Order: sequence, then C-alpha cells, then structure tokens
Amino acid sequence: ETGVTQSPTHLIKTRGQQVTLRCSSQSGHNTVSWYQQALGQGPQFIFQYYREEENGRGNFPPRFSGLQFPNYSSELNVNALELDDSALYLCASSLWTGHYEQYFGPGTRLTVT
Amino acid sequence: QQPVQSPQAVILREGEDAVINCSSSKALYSVHWYRQKHGEAPVFLMILLKGGEQKGHDKISASFNEKKQQSSLYLTASQLSYSGTYFCGTGWWNYGGATNKLIFGTGTLLAVQP
Repeated sequence: ETGVTQSPTHLIKTRGQQVTLRCSSQSGHNTVSWYQQALGQGPQFIFQYYREEENGRGNFPPRFSGLQFPNYSSELNVNALELDDSALYLCASSLWTGHYEQYFGPGTRLTVT
Repeated sequence: QQPVQSPQAVILREGEDAVINCSSSKALYSVHWYRQKHGEAPVFLMILLKGGEQKGHDKISASFNEKKQQSSLYLTASQLSYSGTYFCGTGWWNYGGATNKLIFGTGTLLAVQP
C-alpha cells in the first residue's frame, strides 16, 4: 500500500505566475483535501475533492482551484501568485469524506519571489 | 473559529507526562489529533467522534468533552520521539454528519529532553 505522494518537493515562482501542484492519494482513498501551511502556523483548509467534485472550500480566493481525476489523484492550481502564497502545501487523502482520518503527503514548499 | 490550544509550548524530561488542551468557541462534532515534526508532514494520531469519548493507543490517549467544547490529549511516560508540534483539528458539520474538512488549532510545541 503506497502512501500519499506530492510533487514537486520544492518550487520557486515569481509573483504573478501560475503554479500547479500534484497529489497522488493513498490506494483506495477517494477523498483529497488540500491545506496551506505558513511557517509557524497550523494547516489551513483550502478545499476538498470527493469523487472528482469539489466538496467544500475554505476561505481562499477563486485563483486557488483544483481538480480530481478518475484515479483520485488531484491537482491544486494557483493563478496570479502573490508573495503571501509562499507556504507548504499539503494534501491529505482519506477513505471517505465524513469523519474518516486523513493521511498527509510530504508537502510542496512553494516560494514566491 | 480557530480552536485554541494550551499550553503553547511545553518542555518535558523523558518519562514525564503532559496534557494538551484544545478548546473551541463553536460546537465540536469531531476532533482529530496530529503530530508534526519540523520539516515533515502532520502524522495522524487519533480521531474522536462523540462527546465524552476517550481513545488511546500506546501511551497517548485523548478525551472529548462535547459540553465543554474541548478535547485533551494525554501523553504519559513521554519519549524523545514524542517531540514535535501537536495540532488538533475540528471537523465541520455537514449534511447531518461530521466532516474531515478540518480547522486546525493554534498548535502546541512539545520538546522532550533526555
């Protein structure tokens, strides 16, 4: 059973650019959640995908968007990058939505200059 | 809305016990506990779903008091490997059930020294 994987590990972008981050969920999991974690802070919920549909969104602007594919892997896209977008982006997969535990991937460290 | 954790930081010697609290101003339906080591992803510890529920594995246990809207994590006979930042995450209520769309707490830094 493979765990949650994310790519790339690190990324440096310039303000105004666009970025795509990728996540492969744990085998058998159909739900993926994305979180943003700024340095010294707890993770903040961006959105969740369940069976290829967005299933809830946190307080993030529309320039944060996502996709989930039939194999339940997922992408996070951020347009018009701002300096404050610099953070660790974590995806977490779970067997189901609802009250199931989530397993986090190692994260993508995004730096916006 | 963000749950408040206390204490913010705690330093222990190996073998000592610690309690970390997580309090919410909103009704709690589920509480998830995670430990995160520096530079790593959060690692799932346990989830509590019902008021008054207690859970545990090994020397780490937790309680969930629905009336007080708080959860506590208990670490007994701490080991060096327990060091890290502990986060509670509270699940949203949606369509009649708790969800795992989590709002994470402020975090508690735990350092266990030899």
